[in-house]
Amino acid sequence: DGGITQSPKYLFRKEGQNVTLSCEQNLNHDAMYWYRQDPGQGLRLIYYSQIVNDFQKGDIAEGYSVSREKKESFPLTVTSAQKNPTAFYLCASSIDLTGELFFGEGSRLTVL
Amino acid sequence: SQKIEQNSEALNIQEGKTATLTCNYTNYSPAYLQWYRQDPGRGPVFLLLIRENEKEKRKERLKVTFDTTLKQSLFHITASQPADSATYLCALPTGGSYIPTFGRGTSLIVHP
Repeated sequence: DGGITQSPKYLFRKEGQNVTLSCEQNLNHDAMYWYRQDPGQGLRLIYYSQIVNDFQKGDIAEGYSVSREKKESFPLTVTSAQKNPTAFYLCASSIDLTGELFFGEGSRLTVL
Repeated sequence: SQKIEQNSEALNIQEGKTATLTCNYTNYSPAYLQWYRQDPGRGPVFLLLIRENEKEKRKERLKVTFDTTLKQSLFHITASQPADSATYLCALPTGGSYIPTFGRGTSLIVHP
């Protein structure tokens, strides 16, 4: 079945540690995205990538980094510079920047 | 900048009734507007997209309208069922790009 797979589903991190969240899609989509969701908040865009080897900052990119070396993969690293990393992280993909978004099941990161 | 407004209060309705959810935006009319459903702890699922030159879109029990004069989209679920209980998010491009920005969502609770 085609879709988006995020891992891990739950992740705990100590302060000062970097963590990397995985996002893989087999939908052959060009565009991929990372959003963050906090309780009672809408989804906020962290980074997006329109094509392999290219990515752009979203509204809240500080403290995060991404790479897009393969069309199928768009990992997100939450660095120690991110002040409030505890959140629900959602990866999505679309055919292009104007298409419907297909979301993964999310990764919940908790900083201890 | 463009703001997206969805009612933060939960909408409670009886099974069989029509649920109507509202999405207002503040500035320019977007090229399109999308509606998603999100269940607790899950990623959003795309439901419908309506473009700025369309007044109405239907899919089974779902109907979306787009009024560029009122700067508003209405999302209707007819013959609602308890299984329709979820948070519904609207999304539209803001800030000069085609990438959708999400509203905070409205929780719908359908009582049997």
